[in-house]
Amino acid sequence: AQKITQTQPGMFVQEKEAVTLDCTYDTSDQSYGLFWYKQPSSGEMIFLIYQGSYDEQNATEGRYSLNFQKARKSANLVISASQLGDSAMYFCAMREGATDSWGKLQFGAGTQVVVTP
Amino acid sequence: NAGVTQTPKFQVLKTGQSMTLQCAQDMNHEYMSWYRQDPGMGLRLIHYSVGAGITDQGEVPNGYNVSRSTTEDFPLRLLSAAPSQTSVYFCASGGPGTFEKLFFGSGTQLSVL
Repeated sequence: AQKITQTQPGMFVQEKEAVTLDCTYDTSDQSYGLFWYKQPSSGEMIFLIYQGSYDEQNATEGRYSLNFQKARKSANLVISASQLGDSAMYFCAMREGATDSWGKLQFGAGTQVVVTP
Repeated sequence: NAGVTQTPKFQVLKTGQSMTLQCAQDMNHEYMSWYRQDPGMGLRLIHYSVGAGITDQGEVPNGYNVSRSTTEDFPLRLLSAAPSQTSVYFCASGGPGTFEKLFFGSGTQLSVL
């Protein structure tokens, strides 16, 4: 069964607008971590933000914030004030279990974001 | 500061050939992983390691072998390449002190004809 679901295959957003990328997850573990990575057309994987299952506050990193709704099992990424350089594929990922599962991420299928002038 | 280095960047193989994808990190990370990325899909875990001498299988391990003789290196071996192994391969590393962040290499584009 799919552990990470990203329901938006692609999105267009205008420059300077905010955009929300949806991510839902499925796990029975109490301890887990949620991640967002960005993959521009050049292909590299860029870490954006992390949220631990026990973190009470939503994670923020600059223009990125993670809207964590534990009961709904959702971990949406919000990009504020979009820039042309934000055009990329965005992946939501999950690590189940504690830090001994550090290198084991499960990824969603991704959302392609295109920022227009 | 090299980070995670993958070689080669591109490779074309014939069905049945074997090869090794190299991955090296210079950050003294305990954890290293191999993922593959296919069109329309996210990354899928092939194998991972929590330290030198310790490896385990991920979601799609068939057709691949790994070993971890040193902290720095984590090569991925394709024993007998198949067209289904055409993919982009990413190596990643991380561990305590990286604040949950995985550092990815730049990827290897592999085509099996």
